[in-house]
Amino acid sequence: ILNVEQSPQSLHVQEGDSTNFTCSFPSSNFYALHWYRWETAKSPEALFVMTLNGDEKKKGRISATLNTKEGYSYLYIKGSQPEDSATYLCASLNTGNQFYFGTGTSLTVIP
Amino acid sequence: DSGVTQTPKHLITATGQRVTLRCSPRSGDLSVYWYQQSLDQGLQFLIQYYNGEERAKGNILERFSAQQFPDLHSELNLSSLELGDSALYFCASGYRGQGTGELFFGEGSRLTVL
Repeated sequence: ILNVEQSPQSLHVQEGDSTNFTCSFPSSNFYALHWYRWETAKSPEALFVMTLNGDEKKKGRISATLNTKEGYSYLYIKGSQPEDSATYLCASLNTGNQFYFGTGTSLTVIP
Repeated sequence: DSGVTQTPKHLITATGQRVTLRCSPRSGDLSVYWYQQSLDQGLQFLIQYYNGEERAKGNILERFSAQQFPDLHSELNLSSLELGDSALYFCASGYRGQGTGELFFGEGSRLTVL
C-alpha cells in the first residue's frame, strides 16, 4: 500500500447499531497512526494517536486498534448515536516525518 | 476552539494572482502543518515546519511556498494562482516535531480562484 486508504467511503447506520471502518496505511517506515473526527463546518479533532503494534485505545463508545505489521487500523463505534455523524479521518506518520491523511469515512447515523 | 487561528477565513481572487494565508499555532506548539482540501479530495499534506525550520514536504507545488517565523506563526504563499488551486487550506499545529502528539486544526482558509 502506497497511500492511506479508508473504507468504506460512506456509511449509513441506524441509531443503536454498532459499526466499524478500516484504515490501511504503508507499514514500512511507520511511526504513528492518528484518528480524527471531522464534523461538517468544523475542523478535524483528534480521537486517538497510536504507535505500537497491537495498541488498543478507547474513548467512551469509540475504540480503535492498530496492526503495524500488516498496516491497518480499525475504528469501532458501539451503539451509534446521531451525534456520531461525522467524517472519520485516519492519518499515518512515517519516519520521514510526512503525515498523510486518508479521504475519510463519512458516517451518517439515522435516528 | 482548537487554539489555532487562520486568516483570512475566505478569500476570492483571480487567476495569476498571489495570496498569503496565515496561521497562528496553539500556544506552546512548535510544529505547523499545512494541508489542502480540494473538492471531493481528502486532506493533502503540503508542508511541515518545526520551530522555524522546514521539517517535511508533501505534495506542495513549486508555485507555493511557506515559512515559519520566530514567533512560530506560519504563512503559506500561493502564487500564479490557477482555477485548480481553489480549495480549503488547513493549518494544524502540534507540540513535538514527531506526530506522536495529536494535531490541532484551525478552521481553514477557503480560497476561491475565479
